[in-house]
Amino acid sequence: QVTLRESGPALVKPTQTLTLTCTFSGFSLSSSGMCVSWIRQPPGKALEWLALIDWDDDKYYNTSLKTRLTISKDTSKNQVVLTLTNMDPVDTATYYCARMQRYGDYINPPDYWGQGTLVTVSS
Amino acid sequence: QSVLTQPPSASGTPGQRVTISCSGSSSNFVGSFVYWYQQFPGTAPKLLIYRNDQRPSGVPDRFSGSKSGTSASLAISGLRSEDEADYYCATWDDSLSGQGVFGGGTKLTVL
Repeated sequence: QVTLRESGPALVKPTQTLTLTCTFSGFSLSSSGMCVSWIRQPPGKALEWLALIDWDDDKYYNTSLKTRLTISKDTSKNQVVLTLTNMDPVDTATYYCARMQRYGDYINPPDYWGQGTLVTVSS
Repeated sequence: QSVLTQPPSASGTPGQRVTISCSGSSSNFVGSFVYWYQQFPGTAPKLLIYRNDQRPSGVPDRFSGSKSGTSASLAISGLRSEDEADYYCATWDDSLSGQGVFGGGTKLTVL
């Protein structure tokens, strides 16, 4: 059974760095084709893909946020960490981690999602 | 503004058939699979359709997906009140360095 769970602060101040951890089970990020992504959703708005890391430690980022994002993994702990620097109130959102898989040249959208964690940016 | 284009709203009466469209471009549709998600307020998205037209186990066959060229559609037949939710399409965009992309979401109202 695949499960993912996000953890991190519920409140951050403007200009601070957000660090979120995704802890997962039911699959291994060392298995060929496995990937974990972060996706966010501001209140009342659409989903926005942020970043992905794959089993081979390749990383992909949303081009609009690339300079502020860093994704990393700890395979032994079954964890993926996302950092987002210079937080602003517009970054207030529910942040989800999700499993994705690569098949050949293409990466497929998420098949399993965490429950999400709401992060509010306010002084 | 989302990379994939969906109508912001759709509606239908119980028993009707409703379709939701999702349009993209050659960089994100050609060769990539389209996935569809259903989301209720305050909950995480749920996978509804994968690989363009496949249903995960447990998803009623009232839900179907299709893809042609740079467009995809989600069809819901025999509309029920519990289908009222937000629906999102998603795929992988191969342009630049590659990134995931979502549609802007469609709010389905069952009248």
